[in-house]
Amino acid sequence: EAGVTQFPSHSVIEKGQTVTLRCDPISGHDNLYWYRRVMGKEIKFLLHFVKESKQDESGMPNNRFLAERTGGTYSTLKVQPAELEDSGVYFCASSPGGSGIRGGEQFFGPGTRLTVL
Amino acid sequence: AQSVTQPDIHITVSEGASLELRCNYSYGATPYLFWYVQSPGQGLQLLLKYFSGDTLVQGIKGFEAEFKRSQSSFNLRKPSVHWSDAAEYFCAVVPYNNNDMRFGAGTRLTVKP
Repeated sequence: EAGVTQFPSHSVIEKGQTVTLRCDPISGHDNLYWYRRVMGKEIKFLLHFVKESKQDESGMPNNRFLAERTGGTYSTLKVQPAELEDSGVYFCASSPGGSGIRGGEQFFGPGTRLTVL
Repeated sequence: AQSVTQPDIHITVSEGASLELRCNYSYGATPYLFWYVQSPGQGLQLLLKYFSGDTLVQGIKGFEAEFKRSQSSFNLRKPSVHWSDAAEYFCAVVPYNNNDMRFGAGTRLTVKP
């Protein structure tokens, strides 16, 4: 069974440009999460989808970030326009069931390393 | 403030030596507790988790962790470290009242031959 995949693995863009990160969860997982790790800091929660609906987006830093999960399968995270402080590693995770984290393990992808110059 | 603390940013141990990575949390009620490991180029892999019950939890790869309520700690241990254990280790919690997973800053483990 394929794990969580993320694309691209690395992205280098200039300040002001747009970048779209993609996450493909494990097939059949209703829950999809995005996290971000800024250099030297802890991994921080961004948002949580249950199927195609945003369950919790309290961790999204500002309105330059837009996440979607059309059809409840893969998800995209768009940063527009990118700023220097957006640099970091963006992780995606998925878990089965519809009730969130409790009782379930989150399976993480390898992350996308974003560098904004 | 609610937080997860991993006080050791970097630890170096010799192969075959024992290992203990510290994790403390600050939450009103005991959260759900996790340890993840990230090897270079890989995603986060779950080592073990604690929800309730026996406070000594066995995980994969020979790791175990002990939940101590009185100390608000969930330290990760391994009796004999292997070179392949070199990686970054993250303690994480899910607070009792929501679904958000919160991570410590991570501890990078180096294993000397």
